[in-house]
This record gives sequence, C-alpha cells and structure tokens, in this order.
Amino acid sequence: DSGVTQTPKHLITATGQRVTLRCSPRSGDLSVYWYQQSLDQGLQFLIQYYNGEERAKGNILERFSAQQFPDLHSELNLSSLELGDSALYFCASSLMAGGPETQYFGPGTRLLVL
Amino acid sequence: AQSVTQLDSQVPVFEEAPVELRCNYSSSVSVYLFWYVQYPNQGLQLLLKYLSGSTLVKGINGFEAEFNKSQTSFHLRKPSVHISDTAEYFCAVSEGGGSNYKLTFGKGTLLTVNP
Repeated sequence: DSGVTQTPKHLITATGQRVTLRCSPRSGDLSVYWYQQSLDQGLQFLIQYYNGEERAKGNILERFSAQQFPDLHSELNLSSLELGDSALYFCASSLMAGGPETQYFGPGTRLLVL
Repeated sequence: AQSVTQLDSQVPVFEEAPVELRCNYSSSVSVYLFWYVQYPNQGLQLLLKYLSGSTLVKGINGFEAEFNKSQTSFHLRKPSVHISDTAEYFCAVSEGGGSNYKLTFGKGTLLTVNP
C-alpha cells in the first residue's frame, strides 16, 4: 500500500459526459502528479500540482482540467468524453517538488467510455 | 526532450533463470532514472532509482540496475527470478529542474516467469 488513495476504482460512462477522479496523496506529500495509461499511448504525464498550484503540464487535453485543494487532495476533471479517453488514470504524490524524489502511485481509476 | 526506449515488449523466462530487461534513454541534460513494477490490477511500485553516485543500484526483491552514461542505458537485472516476479516493468526518466520532476515512461516490458 503506497498510501495514495484514488476513487472511484472503476468508472463507466457514456461519450459526451463529464467525470471527476479524486486523489488523496500520502500524508505529508505536497506534490501530486496525474498520469494516463492506455494501450496505444502507454503511461503519459498529464499534469502536476504542488501545494495547490499548477507546476507542470504534459500531454493534457483542453477538455481535461485538474486542481489541488487546500487539504492537498486533487481532482482530475474529464469532460466531453470520447471513446479514446478510456484508460487507467493514476495519481502519484511526492513530498515536495524540489528534487527527483520517489513518486508514490495510487491504485488507479479505470475509466471506460461507451 | 527526454525519451525512454524499452527494447523488449515481452520477456518470457523460466523460474530461477537470470533476466535482463533493457532500457535506453535520451536526454540533453543530466537525468534521474527509475524502474517501476506494475503487478496485475495494481498501481506502480518503485523497484529502484539512480540519482547520482555509484552506477550500480540495488533495489527491492533482488533486482539491480546499472547506469551506463556512455551507452545511455539503465538495464534491469535479476540473477534468479521467481514466479511472483511476473509483472510489467517500466523504465522512467526524470529530467529535473526547478519544481518539475515529471516522469517520462517507456512502453513497458512484460516479464512472464514460467515454472
């Protein structure tokens, strides 16, 4: 158990819909990263937050957005969903953003868009 | 931009045999290298990491990796594998700077250990 929790574990929805994925980092960790894992693209970095502020963006679509709240949990919002958004979404956390620290991964949320 | 190539998508081996999973990276600056393992239906778990210093890095579960700067490689090895090592293994590079240490992952290598 990494200490990172993600809810829900599974999500089935329809095209055009909007969903919210939630992540609680390890106790004391200030940095949260979101990754998408799909069969064709592999594991890709989406976005990073550090202590409530966005720090880095990767291959994140404009239809996707995220935020980190004062209690440090983070939410990833996916809107106007398409079939190709079906994937496993991971959240990872690390203590701070000041160095190459270990990122601890949650169990993921499996999203299926029908 | 950084990138990671895992040369083998699948590696089948027999139990107690040695294994090497290959990883090459490209980066224009100093990098930090990681190996993660993903067991079926689970998240990623760190096996080992190279930040600096000794080029031979030992990790959990008997795995080790060697950083070779001239060959831009970071191959993962285990002298004797167990059935329980069956999993997908990901090599990742972090090209650090400021407050961003995002990971760039390879496509993964599925290690299947057969009895």
